[in-house]
Amino acid sequence: GAGVSQSPSNKVTEKGKDVELRCDPISGHTALYWYRQSLGQGLEFLIYFQGNSAPDKSGLPSDRFSAERTGGSVSTLTIQRTQQEDSAVYLCASSPRLSGVTDTQYFGPGTRLTVL
Amino acid sequence: DQQVKQNSPSLSVQEGRISILNCDYTNSMFDYFLWYKKYPAEGPTFLISISSIKDKNEDGRFTVFLNKSAKHLSLHIVPSQPGDSAVYFCAATGYNAGNMLTFGGGTRLMVKP
Repeated sequence: GAGVSQSPSNKVTEKGKDVELRCDPISGHTALYWYRQSLGQGLEFLIYFQGNSAPDKSGLPSDRFSAERTGGSVSTLTIQRTQQEDSAVYLCASSPRLSGVTDTQYFGPGTRLTVL
Repeated sequence: DQQVKQNSPSLSVQEGRISILNCDYTNSMFDYFLWYKKYPAEGPTFLISISSIKDKNEDGRFTVFLNKSAKHLSLHIVPSQPGDSAVYFCAATGYNAGNMLTFGGGTRLMVKP
């Protein structure tokens, strides 16, 4: 399909292990966002990529979290030394991000991360 | 400090009637507002949006109203259908507000047949 895709859909890991979550944005979208939704919580912004600009990392909860976006397309969110409080659904979104315009973000199905 | 609030965690409506979901915000830098619908185990699905230069936007059964002076927006669904049952999130963003979406806590809508 033409939507945002994420993999894996589910990930179970042990506390202390590293995990990588992947996002494929909609083709042609220049902006890519990561959010997470913890159990019983709202959606929380993590990081934002726009074109070749330096990412906005203001939402990352700790230095165990990092993300990169290669070639302006696919993005990987990495969580090092996972903790139980990292358990959440991690959502990726993309938008066309036309210059000077605030536009609509389209979400992928999410990756449910469970840290045991 | 919650910049976007949805004060009703749940709403129950009879099929065919109007559903009204409310949202309040505090950040005056927000200039674009969106409603997303979310089913369990799925990502949020975009429903409708409104720019701060407008006070109303309509798309089929869905209408969003924006009252900038009150920093309040609402989503009206008329007529409500059982398939509308889901969690609805209000979100706000702005070119000068960091570009990311700030979400409300969501309202669970249940439309009874």
